[in-house]
Amino acid sequence: DTAVSQTPKYLVTQMGNDKSIKCEQNLGHDTMYWYKQDSKKFLKIMFSYNNKELIINETVPNRFSPKSPDKAHLNLHINSLELGDSAVYFCASSQSMWGSEAFFGQGTRLTVV
Amino acid sequence: AQTVTQSQPEMSVQEAETVTLSCTYDTSESDYYLFWYKQPPSRQMILVIRQEAYKQQNATENRFSVNFQKAAKSFSLKISDSQLGDAAMYFCAYRTISNTGNQFYFGTGTSLTVIP
Repeated sequence: DTAVSQTPKYLVTQMGNDKSIKCEQNLGHDTMYWYKQDSKKFLKIMFSYNNKELIINETVPNRFSPKSPDKAHLNLHINSLELGDSAVYFCASSQSMWGSEAFFGQGTRLTVV
Repeated sequence: AQTVTQSQPEMSVQEAETVTLSCTYDTSESDYYLFWYKQPPSRQMILVIRQEAYKQQNATENRFSVNFQKAAKSFSLKISDSQLGDAAMYFCAYRTISNTGNQFYFGTGTSLTVIP
């Protein structure tokens, strides 16, 4: 059983489209994250949720909107996609806000053309 | 703000040899966690090893060990008996345990090549 699973694994779409990435964890963790990995492999936090509550909302465009229907799910919706949104997006979870390690999904490679 | 620095963008090691990857960090916190993650070409982020700052003993996981120097804010990873499967991008990461932050801070990564 995959601990943190993201779908889709690859996403190719045209500029201006709206797309969603889904994330689910079956670890019973309270805290979930979205990280963006750019072309230089740098990982930057986008959002963090704890028990469905938004905790961290870094400086990302309003076109990015996370949604957590329950603590096992954290989805990422992106409106009006731009070329610069092309990156790998990672979902992750940890036991709590002050828990130790994060467990990552396999990443979603988003390509905007 | 917390920062994590990996000064070696690329490293290479001969198979079966030992290699050390460097990491330094900046924080005013006294209690925190440090991690090394491995990202092979498959893209999956895999936890290699973790260290709690309050523990003086260096963490070890099989062929992987760390040299944690709290005063110097240094956290290096030693890989012994390197194997071809160790080839990957390695990220050092920091996490506070205080309620002032709830995220992992990552370094820029070190790309490790293992030469057969």
